[in-house]
Amino acid sequence: GQNIDQPTEMTATEGAIVQINCTYQTSGFNGLFWYQQHAGEAPTFLSYNVLDGLEEKGRFSSFLSRSKGYSYLLLKELQMKDSASYLCAPMDSNYQLIWGAGTKLIIKP
Amino acid sequence: TAGITQAPTSQILAAGRSMTLRCTQDMRHNAMYWYRQDLGLGLRLIHYSNTAGTTGKGEVPDGYSVSRANTDDFPLTLASAVPSQTSVYFCASSDRGHTEAFFGQGTRLTVV
Repeated sequence: GQNIDQPTEMTATEGAIVQINCTYQTSGFNGLFWYQQHAGEAPTFLSYNVLDGLEEKGRFSSFLSRSKGYSYLLLKELQMKDSASYLCAPMDSNYQLIWGAGTKLIIKP
Repeated sequence: TAGITQAPTSQILAAGRSMTLRCTQDMRHNAMYWYRQDLGLGLRLIHYSNTAGTTGKGEVPDGYSVSRANTDDFPLTLASAVPSQTSVYFCASSDRGHTEAFFGQGTRLTVV
């Protein structure tokens, strides 16, 4: 079956760095997306990895290892506005996104 | 730029009644999706459409129907609502299968 595993909740301090891990099992693979979702709002796109390695985009970076079925999202210089849920979503062989339950990130001053 | 718009924003619906959730996008995206999001669970795909005139069933299609008469609109109908359909519903669209999806603001539906 298809399965996504990511921590339910994480806490970090403003200005620090946090890494949110995601492991996945899918029927085929066509890349992996990370989305950010603030409470009561719609998910918004953060990053897309299809090849192994690190993709950097400002304060956010995303890493993929296809052989290990593993990805992480790295957030640097944390700001209070980064408090949100972060959704890991690999795409299967039918180009359908398989969504994890998300990691709720709490930023403390 | 509107992007993708859902209506209504929220609704309280009596069990047994029917309702259509509306979704319109102005990005000329081929693919559109309906998800439901429940506390503690990931987004679950209800129905999808890869192009106008075609639809497909997702993970949780029972009790829901969709149509895709044109590129822009993708309405979701609940024929006879039940309390377990209480959820937040998101419509999304993407240009092609492997590109990012854009989401509407969501419809919060409560079935009582």
